[in-house]
Amino acid sequence: GAGVSQTPSNKVTEKGKYVELRCDPISGHTALYWYRQSLGQGPEFLIYFQGTGAADDSGLPNDRFFAVRPEGSVSTLKIQRTERGDSAVYLCASSSSTGELFFGEGSRLTVL
Amino acid sequence: GNSVTQMEGPVTLSEEAFLTINCTYTATGYPSLFWYVQYPGEGLQLLLKATKADDKGSNKGFEATYRKETTSFHLEKGSVQVSDSAVYFCALSGWGTNAGKSTFGDGTTLTVKP
Repeated sequence: GAGVSQTPSNKVTEKGKYVELRCDPISGHTALYWYRQSLGQGPEFLIYFQGTGAADDSGLPNDRFFAVRPEGSVSTLKIQRTERGDSAVYLCASSSSTGELFFGEGSRLTVL
Repeated sequence: GNSVTQMEGPVTLSEEAFLTINCTYTATGYPSLFWYVQYPGEGLQLLLKATKADDKGSNKGFEATYRKETTSFHLEKGSVQVSDSAVYFCALSGWGTNAGKSTFGDGTTLTVKP
């Protein structure tokens, strides 16, 4: 596709469950980013991939959060033992170089 | 660390009014500065950018100038339209070892009434 694609667009889960969120970046973009956006706030950095490797994962809040990008294209954000405080919109972005970000429409996660 | 402070909203204007949304930042190194916009029901998209001091970014009638001396990047438009109603985010890119980490403000909601 032409833009960044994220699935699912909405996910409702119960506290303690495992969740995977998928991001398909713009073809050819080597850099991929995950951000989290809570209501009324700006996007908060989670992790950045350059190719297959995580170049900076300093924004992951704790070890329940993990992300992979095994072939340097699609990425999956994994959240274990979800908590109500994890409820937010998870944004994925890609870029051809660091700088301008191209965002997907986000995956809205609700933890009950 | 880097930070971005935006004018709090919401901002409500009449069509054809002048718009200013203030943005100031703190950063190390030489970041690029951005304004992103999020229209209702859509994802964030780049509105304009400036990569070095005194650069002016412009797009769709919006402008912002990278002012290093005042650490500001205020967004302006001379005559807003109803279609400009959206949430506007000021952001800066990381620099050096933090090059992949952009920092965003909390957003300013603009509503333009006919």
